[in-house]
Amino acid sequence: DAGVTQSPTHLIKTRGQQVTLRCSPKSGHDTVSWYQQALGQGPQFIFQYYEEEERQRGNFPDRFSGHQFPNYSSELNVNALLLGDSALYLCASSLVANAGELFFGEGSRLTVL
Amino acid sequence: SQQGEEDPQALSIQEGENATMNCSYKTSINNLQWYRQNSGRGLVHLILIRSNEREKHSGRLRVTLDTSKKSSSLLITASRAADTASYFCATVLMDSSYKLIFGSGTRLLVRP
Repeated sequence: DAGVTQSPTHLIKTRGQQVTLRCSPKSGHDTVSWYQQALGQGPQFIFQYYEEEERQRGNFPDRFSGHQFPNYSSELNVNALLLGDSALYLCASSLVANAGELFFGEGSRLTVL
Repeated sequence: SQQGEEDPQALSIQEGENATMNCSYKTSINNLQWYRQNSGRGLVHLILIRSNEREKHSGRLRVTLDTSKKSSSLLITASRAADTASYFCATVLMDSSYKLIFGSGTRLLVRP
């Protein structure tokens, strides 16, 4: 049973560019959440998708957008990259019926130069 | 500021000793969870305790929750070198069942 998979694992971009990160949830899960984790900090909630809709959003600008597909996989898009966007981006999946227990992928490490 | 804050920020113990980490939060919660993260990798769910529970056990882990003090503790008994990791508490608020709010974590080093 595959867990949460994310791609790519590492990537380097320059300021102003755009990036797309991808996530496949754990088998049987219908909800995908995205988190940003800066070095030495705890993860910060970006948004959550359920039934292909953004259900809740954290305190992130509109440059951060996402999508969930009918097979429950998800993408995170970040436009007009800033140096401060450098972080580990974590995808987590869950069942909507569960009170928040998350299964995380290994993350995508984004470096913005 | 973050909802949950762990204490201490870093902890170094000898293998076989117990490790205790504390978490404080600010607003009423639905549940509180503890996660573990090995060196910049994904987080692994350890244990969930609901707001109406006071204590839970899972293997060598013991979690307590004091809602009157808005605090929780994670005890790892008989620690092993493999327990070396960062440990995060995360809360699900009463007004939202959709997101976890993480603290800044405790970095645990277990010396062999």
